Amino acid sequence: AQTVTQSQPEMSVQEAETVTLSCTYDTSESDYYLFWYKQPPSRQMILVIRQEAYKQQNATENRFSVNFQKAAKSFSLKISDSQLGDAAMYFCAYGVDDMRFGAGTRLTVKP
Amino acid sequence: SAVISQKPSRDICQRGTSLTIQCQVDSQVTMMFWYRQQPGQSLTLIATANQGSEATYESGFVIDKFPISRPNLTFSTLTVSNMSPEDSSIYLCSVGLAGGVGTDTQYFGPGTRLTVL
Repeated sequence: AQTVTQSQPEMSVQEAETVTLSCTYDTSESDYYLFWYKQPPSRQMILVIRQEAYKQQNATENRFSVNFQKAAKSFSLKISDSQLGDAAMYFCAYGVDDMRFGAGTRLTVKP
Repeated sequence: SAVISQKPSRDICQRGTSLTIQCQVDSQVTMMFWYRQQPGQSLTLIATANQGSEATYESGFVIDKFPISRPNLTFSTLTVSNMSPEDSSIYLCSVGLAGGVGTDTQYFGPGTRLTVL
C-alpha cells in the first residue's frame, strides 16, 4: 500500500524568508503523480503544485517549487519569499488511480 | 480547474439522524471522490463515485453507512446515516480532471462541516 509521510507536524518561517516542507512516500509504481495542497483556516483545499513522476525536471509555480528525488522517494516543497497568506496546513499527496495524503504540516508565517 | 460547490456548508445534527451532502461541479467530470477529514487530521478517502457505476468504498467505509449517488456527470451526494458524535468531521468532495498518465489532478469543494450532538 502506498503511504505518504510528512515528518514535520509544524514549521515556522519569517515573512520574506524561505522554508522547505518535507515529504516522503512509498510505492512500487513507476508512473504516478505527486501533489502539494494547501488548506487555510477556511478549510478549502487548494492545489499548490503538481509533479509527474516521469518528468525529471522539478515543478515550479511562482514562489513554490519542489525538489523531487524519485530514487529516494522524496518530494519536498520550497516556499520562497514567504507571505502571511502562506500560513496554512500543507498536505503532500500521492496519486495513481486515487490519492493518498500525508498527515500535514502546519506552517506559521511570522511578520 | 473546476468550480465545485457543496451544500450544506455546515450543519449540526442529532445522533441517529441522517444528513445528505450535495456536491455540484460546473463541468462534466468522470471521477468524483468523497473524503472525510476528522478534527486536526488529514484527509481519508471514503469512496470513489463514477457516473453509471456503483461507488467503490475504501476499507473501513460501507455503503449502508455512507450511501452515495452519482446520477450524472456534474452531481453527487453523500449521505451520512444513523449519525453518532464520531461522525463529526469535515466532508469534502473532489473531482478528477484529466492530467495525463494515471490519476487525475483532484480539485476540491469547500467542504461540509458536520457536528453530531
